[in-house]
Amino acid sequence: AQSVAQPEDQVNVAEGNPLTVKCTYSVSGNPYLFWYVQYPNRGLQFLLKYITGDNLVKGSYGFEAEFNKSQTSFHLKKPSALVSDSALYFCAVRDRGGGADGLTFGKGTHLIIQP
Amino acid sequence: AAGVIQSPRHLIKEKRETATLKCYPIPRHDTVYWYQQGPGQDPQFLISFYEKMQSDKGSIPDRFSAQQFSDYHSELNMSSLELGDSALYFCASRPLAGANNEQFFGPGTRLTVL
Repeated sequence: AQSVAQPEDQVNVAEGNPLTVKCTYSVSGNPYLFWYVQYPNRGLQFLLKYITGDNLVKGSYGFEAEFNKSQTSFHLKKPSALVSDSALYFCAVRDRGGGADGLTFGKGTHLIIQP
Repeated sequence: AAGVIQSPRHLIKEKRETATLKCYPIPRHDTVYWYQQGPGQDPQFLISFYEKMQSDKGSIPDRFSAQQFSDYHSELNMSSLELGDSALYFCASRPLAGANNEQFFGPGTRLTVL
């Protein structure tokens, strides 16, 4: 069985400061890892993914994430936070051999950027 | 760019009624997924289809069924609705082949069971 842990329910960051949203995963094989963002009453928007190759992946809106196999982590980062980044962020995993298997999501982290 | 379309966007039903949710994937996406997101919860995978065949099954109740049609749209049928079925139901799609492993989500259908 696969699982995702997002240890922080909420992260507060001042605008302009760097932000990190933490994610650790557990999967039997090699993982596909994803970050999605959800704004109130909206669907999930894809931010970035790790499939293979470079451990540092860059995504939409200036976000990036670093895959760390030894720590089974995939933390989301941004060098300078914007108030508009305030939203609910989900980390998700799928086993690489899973074909059309569904994603397993973490519980989500509320990111609040204070002006 | 075309996105995943879900209908209806909002649905109100009484207990023990039935509901049908529809999903129209992005053109040329042959794989469809259904997820349920309860209030304040993470999305839970229900079921997926590839080329009109069920591909993977998650935590879908026996009261629910789904299918994918020849035009790749999918329908989630929910019977004997319970209060606990009130949630946001997302459909997602992607092309199974190729490097695009991310799923593209629709706006969701908010189901309220009274």
